[in-house]
Amino acid sequence: QVHLVESGGGVVQPGGSLRLSCDGTGFFFRDYGMHWVRQAPGKGLEWVAIIHPDSTTKYYRDSVKGRFTVSRDNSKSTLSLEMDSLTPEDTAVYFCSLHYTSPRAFDSWGPGTLVTVSS
Amino acid sequence: QSALTQPASVSGSPGQSITLSCTGTSSDVGAYNFVSWYQQHPGKAPKLMIYEVTNRPSGVPDRFSGSKSGNTASLTISGLQAEDEADYYCCSFTGSSHPYVFGTGTRVTVL
Repeated sequence: QVHLVESGGGVVQPGGSLRLSCDGTGFFFRDYGMHWVRQAPGKGLEWVAIIHPDSTTKYYRDSVKGRFTVSRDNSKSTLSLEMDSLTPEDTAVYFCSLHYTSPRAFDSWGPGTLVTVSS
Repeated sequence: QSALTQPASVSGSPGQSITLSCTGTSSDVGAYNFVSWYQQHPGKAPKLMIYEVTNRPSGVPDRFSGSKSGNTASLTISGLQAEDEADYYCCSFTGSSHPYVFGTGTRVTVL
């Protein structure tokens, strides 16, 4: 049974930084690409970033390139998202997710963690 | 990468069938059979309802079905039930360095 739990959300001022984490249990974490997906209040879902199982490949949506860094520690089954130069437009619930059994589909999600960028 | 286009809202009475559309381009929906659909209730994480255009994960009622024609995918909910009232999002694989794009979302209301 896949279980994902995000943490690290909170309130941060514009220009500030925050580090999110996602702990994965119930599956072989090291075998799966991991994603971050976000949802601004009252808005739709946005894919944010992916990191491949061995960390050799990482992709980001254009609006976060150069500001966000995705990483993982397979020994701890932990996914991270380092967010710098935050703007109010980054305010959202951030979910970690993966394609566990469904090809190219997000079949497992954490409950999300809220990031609020405000002065 | 632009979001896939979905109608903002669709409504129906209990027992009716409704169809939600999801329009993309020849680079995403039209190019791959990796369209998925998600149901999201307020304050909850999304739940996968359909993957690979037509496949239902275990536990999803067969009232939910998916299809695709050209650059447009569709989700049909048959025998609408009160519990189906939620937001629905489509998503497509793009094969690019921005590998996934979600739709704008459709709010389903059960009258």
